[in-house]
Amino acid sequence: AQSVTQLGSHVSVSEGALVLLRCNYSSSVPPYLFWYVQYPNQGLQLLLKYTSAATLVKGINGFEAEFKKSETSFHLTKPSAHMSDAAEYFCAASGTYKYIFGTGTRLKVLA
Amino acid sequence: SQTIHQWPATLVQPVGSPLSLECTVEGTSNPNLYWYRQAAGRGLQLLFYSVGIGQISSEVPQNLSASRPQDRQFILSSKKLLLSDSGFYLCAWSGSQYQETQYFGPGTRLLVL
Repeated sequence: AQSVTQLGSHVSVSEGALVLLRCNYSSSVPPYLFWYVQYPNQGLQLLLKYTSAATLVKGINGFEAEFKKSETSFHLTKPSAHMSDAAEYFCAASGTYKYIFGTGTRLKVLA
Repeated sequence: SQTIHQWPATLVQPVGSPLSLECTVEGTSNPNLYWYRQAAGRGLQLLFYSVGIGQISSEVPQNLSASRPQDRQFILSSKKLLLSDSGFYLCAWSGSQYQETQYFGPGTRLLVL
């Protein structure tokens, strides 16, 4: 069965440091993969989407993710964290009609 | 452009009372529609999805139900709320093709007392 695993439910980084949020998927066929961000009391906002056109995907707010089939990973990165990046991040994989979501990673940015 | 609306934004209801949450989408036709719930400190749980008017698929057995009376309207209901129904309810839509992006509404915060 398809699954999405996000390693680390909480991640803390210093302002200006590299952000790395991990996501691994399990699927017999590489699905489309997504990263969403959720700010408190808001809906989810799409950060970026992998559709097999390119393995390195650039998204909004300076985030990017790299699809690695050999590692079944789709980790999210940002070179320099900003205070406004503090939020919860969800990785998801597409299915026929439904998405499979990871359990989320809460990112804390330290001043 | 497409927009998705949810109301109310916040709701406080007593245990045993009924519930009706509404979601509408503008700017698209024949969308797939979804209801999710986020309990405090937990991830997203898919409750229902719909690929067309009157077509509802339930993912989790519970005291909630969903209906799609119009193409771009999705309603989440309950006849009697439980304390465990508290949470953040999110509606989402996607195109009807395979693997299309889901777009989320602003959510409804429900507190059952």
